[in-house]
Amino acid sequence: ETGVTQTPRHLVMGMTNKKSLKCEQHLGHNAMYWYKQSAKKPLELMFVYSLEERVENNSVPSRFSPECPNSSHLFLHLHTLQPEDSALYLCASAYDSNSNQPQHFGDGTRLSIL
Amino acid sequence: GESVGLHLPTLSVQEGDNSIINCAYSNSASDYFIWYKQESGKGPQFIIDIRSNMDKRQGQRVTVLLNKTVKHLSLQIAATQPGDSAVYFCAETLRDNYGQNFVFGPGTRLSVLP
Repeated sequence: ETGVTQTPRHLVMGMTNKKSLKCEQHLGHNAMYWYKQSAKKPLELMFVYSLEERVENNSVPSRFSPECPNSSHLFLHLHTLQPEDSALYLCASAYDSNSNQPQHFGDGTRLSIL
Repeated sequence: GESVGLHLPTLSVQEGDNSIINCAYSNSASDYFIWYKQESGKGPQFIIDIRSNMDKRQGQRVTVLLNKTVKHLSLQIAATQPGDSAVYFCAETLRDNYGQNFVFGPGTRLSVLP
């Protein structure tokens, strides 16, 4: 049990579909993150939320749209994705976004774009 | 830009031996470092961290060493076990106007031989 839960674990979608990834944490953390993990590349930060406010958008294409309705939940809305968007999408949370504390990761959503 | 890298992409060790995984970082202003372990099908799991005012920190069977002079970080695993087989990532933290961000290395795959 990681404390950070992501659903679904696997998702296959066409380029014209719209889907959403969900992340939930019950660690009492105030910061949440989306990362992309592709084969043979380091983890890429996508978005950072602190106290439900987006504090960083790391040059992510607009076909990825995050939403943070409260400090426990984070969504990543997907639409008109490209084949190169196939990857493992990881959610993480941390006590806050500005202190030396580790991030806690979920097990990710494996996304495949057809 | 800043980068965190690993000298060895793969490492094979005999069960019971000690493992050493190395990491080079480029930003001398980084003040916090973390090692993560990622098993197949799972998200990164926190192992141990170290702040820049320390040069060594020990956990259960693991030791992290920080050499700020040469910007080098290492993870030592004592009496390596089959369950230690995984990909290990180092991460350094950088601060910008938005807060603290983690920069991850590409990872080293550790294989434990019976």
